[in-house]
Amino acid sequence: NAGVTQTPKFRILKIGQSMTLQCAQDMNHNYMYWYRQDPGMGLKLIYYSVGAGITDKGEVPNGYNVSRSTTEDFPLRLELAAPSQTSVYFCASVGGATNEKLFFGSGTQLSVL
Amino acid sequence: RKEVEQDPGPFNVPEGATVAFNCTYSNSASQSFFWYRQDCRKEPKLLMSVYSSGNEDGRFTAQLNRASQYISLLIRDSKLSDSATYLCVGDQFYFGTGTSLTVIP
Repeated sequence: NAGVTQTPKFRILKIGQSMTLQCAQDMNHNYMYWYRQDPGMGLKLIYYSVGAGITDKGEVPNGYNVSRSTTEDFPLRLELAAPSQTSVYFCASVGGATNEKLFFGSGTQLSVL
Repeated sequence: RKEVEQDPGPFNVPEGATVAFNCTYSNSASQSFFWYRQDCRKEPKLLMSVYSSGNEDGRFTAQLNRASQYISLLIRDSKLSDSATYLCVGDQFYFGTGTSLTVIP
């Protein structure tokens, strides 16, 4: 059981480049989230989705876009990378016995230079 | 004002010590709270949920005080393996900045 899979693990971008961070889960979870974590800080919610075809903004959505065409996949798109987007990105889905537990991917370390 | 605030520490304690972390939250409508553990450069992992009645899991005890809007985590008999950052979370959305714990031999 793979759980939540994120790719790539590391990436270096130049300012202005674009890229997509991939996230997939095989647990049939409806709720999925994207967070970013800056050094020494907690996680901040970028976007979330409550099911296929439904997405909504979180606390820090500017500079990002998401889509949710299937239950399994929730990619995060950076269109014009900026140094302020240098961070660790975590994808998560919600499940567990009480449907409250966050299952995280292993993260993507992104540097924009 | 941040939704969830916690003392970043660091807390450096000897093995066997008891240590407590607190978080305060600003949204009185928040329904659910959790403690997550994060090891260096790793993803957070659920440590325990927090209930109003308080809950215990081995050496760990979590409490929620809705009247004062804070949650707490108590770790008894600290082990070296408890060294990590502990994150309090409200409603799966709002993460505190994390409290760093180092248990010293």
